[in-house]
Amino acid sequence: AQKITQTQPGMFVQEKEAVTLDCTYDTSDPSYGLFWYKQPSSGEMIFLIYQGSYDQQNATEGRYSLNFQKARKSANLVISASQLGDSAMYFCAMRDLSFSGGYQKVTFGIGTKLQVIP
Amino acid sequence: DAGITQSPRYKITETGRQVTLMCHQTWSHSYMFWYRQDLGHGLRLIYYSAAADITDKGEVPDGYVVSRSKTENFPLTLESATRSQTSVYFCASSENGYNSPLHFGNGTRLTVT
Repeated sequence: AQKITQTQPGMFVQEKEAVTLDCTYDTSDPSYGLFWYKQPSSGEMIFLIYQGSYDQQNATEGRYSLNFQKARKSANLVISASQLGDSAMYFCAMRDLSFSGGYQKVTFGIGTKLQVIP
Repeated sequence: DAGITQSPRYKITETGRQVTLMCHQTWSHSYMFWYRQDLGHGLRLIYYSAAADITDKGEVPDGYVVSRSKTENFPLTLESATRSQTSVYFCASSENGYNSPLHFGNGTRLTVT
């Protein structure tokens, strides 16, 4: 069963505008972590931001913030003041307990391709 | 240099051949992961390991074998490669803990002809 859902295959945003990338998740583990990664066209995976399931405040890292709504099981990434260098694939991921093995595994969504327009 | 390295970067093999992708990390991270990335599917977990000699299946383990005799190495073997295994393979490592991000290697682009 899919545990991370990213419903926006592609998004466009005007340079200097803010954009929200959607992510919903499903887990029965009360303890989990949510991550966002950026993958530019060069292919490397870059960690952007983390949100813990018990964190009271939304995470922020520079121009990145995470809109965490626990009851809705959503963890949307907000990028403020978009730059041309933000054009990339963005992946949402969740780390939780794998009941089959009893260890933490990390599941990714299918990603959202963001294009910043000058 | 500390980090996580994958080898080879590119590999072309024929259907039916065995091929091993290597992954080495220098941080002594307990967790290691193998993903494959395909258009429209994002990153799908193949296998992961919580420590040396502890491995578990991910979403798409069929046709793959892993081992982890040492903490720093986590090789992925395709026992009999098929065209459907043409993909970009990423290895990642992390510390234990829900707040620990994954650190990725640069990937191996595998083509099965």
